[in-house]
Amino acid sequence: AQKVTQAQTEISVVEKEDVTLDCVYETRDTTYYLFWYKQPPSGELVFLIRRNSFDEQNEISGRYSWNFQKSTSSFNFTITASQVVDSAVYFCALSEADRDDKIIFGKGTRLHILP
Amino acid sequence: AAGVIQSPRHLIKEKRETATLKCYPIPRHDTVYWYQQGPGQDPQFLISFYEKMQSDKGSIPDRFSAQQFSDYHSELNMSSLELGDSALYFCASSLAGYFEAFFGQGTRLTVV
Repeated sequence: AQKVTQAQTEISVVEKEDVTLDCVYETRDTTYYLFWYKQPPSGELVFLIRRNSFDEQNEISGRYSWNFQKSTSSFNFTITASQVVDSAVYFCALSEADRDDKIIFGKGTRLHILP
Repeated sequence: AAGVIQSPRHLIKEKRETATLKCYPIPRHDTVYWYQQGPGQDPQFLISFYEKMQSDKGSIPDRFSAQQFSDYHSELNMSSLELGDSALYFCASSLAGYFEAFFGQGTRLTVV
């Protein structure tokens, strides 16, 4: 069965620090997709990134970067030079190719950026 | 670009009442998913539809039902509401095979 584990329930860092959110997944499929979503206090789910299982290239988008390692089944997310606006709950998620695109979420990591 | 539209955004109901949530997917998307997110919880998959047929079912209570109509919009019907049904309900849509679900802004249901 597919499973996503975000071991960090809550993290607090001071503004401008770098912070990494961990995500470990389990799947028996060889074809799958990994996602990160941001949920600010307003409640909407903001899509950040999608990565397929055949693409292990790391990605950088501005202050955000993602490290995908199939060998350790991890898909970690790093925010560089954090800002107060980054405060939110971040969900890592998984979709298996044989499961009708259904997305399964981890429990989320609540990130507090302190001014 | 058009996004997933959910209505209403907020809904307050009393216990034992019925609620209907609506979801309008992105044009040309053929798949709709419903998720329930309780306070402090992760979104939990309820049910999905592909081409107007139910494609998968998660932890959806028997008191809930859903369908996808000919214009691809979907409705989630919730009867005999309980306090524990208070949650944020998300709808997402996708084009089958593209593994890129787009979420609506959610409907916040409060049962009092």
